[in-house]
Amino acid sequence: DTEVTQTPKHLVMGMTNKKSLKCEQHMGHRAMYWYKQKAKKPPELMFVYSYEKLSINESVPSRFSPECPNSSLLNLHLHALQPEDSALYLCASSQVGRLNTEAFFGQGTRLTVV
Amino acid sequence: AQKITQTQPGMFVQEKEAVTLDCTYDTSDPSYGLFWYKQPSSGEMIFLIYQGSYDQQNATEGRYSLNFQKARKSANLVISASQLGDSAMYFCAMRDARIKAAGNKLTFGGGTRVLVKP
Repeated sequence: DTEVTQTPKHLVMGMTNKKSLKCEQHMGHRAMYWYKQKAKKPPELMFVYSYEKLSINESVPSRFSPECPNSSLLNLHLHALQPEDSALYLCASSQVGRLNTEAFFGQGTRLTVV
Repeated sequence: AQKITQTQPGMFVQEKEAVTLDCTYDTSDPSYGLFWYKQPSSGEMIFLIYQGSYDQQNATEGRYSLNFQKARKSANLVISASQLGDSAMYFCAMRDARIKAAGNKLTFGGGTRVLVKP
């Protein structure tokens, strides 16, 4: 199984809503990532978890709250988002500590904030 | 700090011809890894090929090959015999040797959009 599964694929939410994005992998990877990608731009790293602990937070606003409940799951909790937060949110996973290991990406969640 | 540059925002290529996508990088680490990913309109990032900084030979994977010039800090992707399904965004990315301290961080270039014409 070499898949990273993200749900939902599409999400429309109001600025006062609370929603969560989910990501799951069963490859035994202990590094998991959230990236944000605006149209025609490269993915921008938001968070990295290594061994279920947050290792990088790229100065992301607190309205985005990541959670890694176990080694297979990664969540991104959303609250009080702004329209400019509309983007493709990509989850990825990889092995830890190996230079040549590629990151496997999910298909992403296309988020629209209205 | 790492920096990845892809100078070609978009390219057209005729079906069955080869195309070269440019990638230059800047890092002070002697040990690093370079990756190329393809992103079709569906959104998923698909890993294509990897080149390590100490690899003696240029990487190849099927129709994909890397023209790795370490002294010039470039890692250009060559796609041979282009197919209509190759139309997509292509990203060059780097991970450096401080992978544990950097949290296995993968840094991406700005991307090149390729459109294959029949």
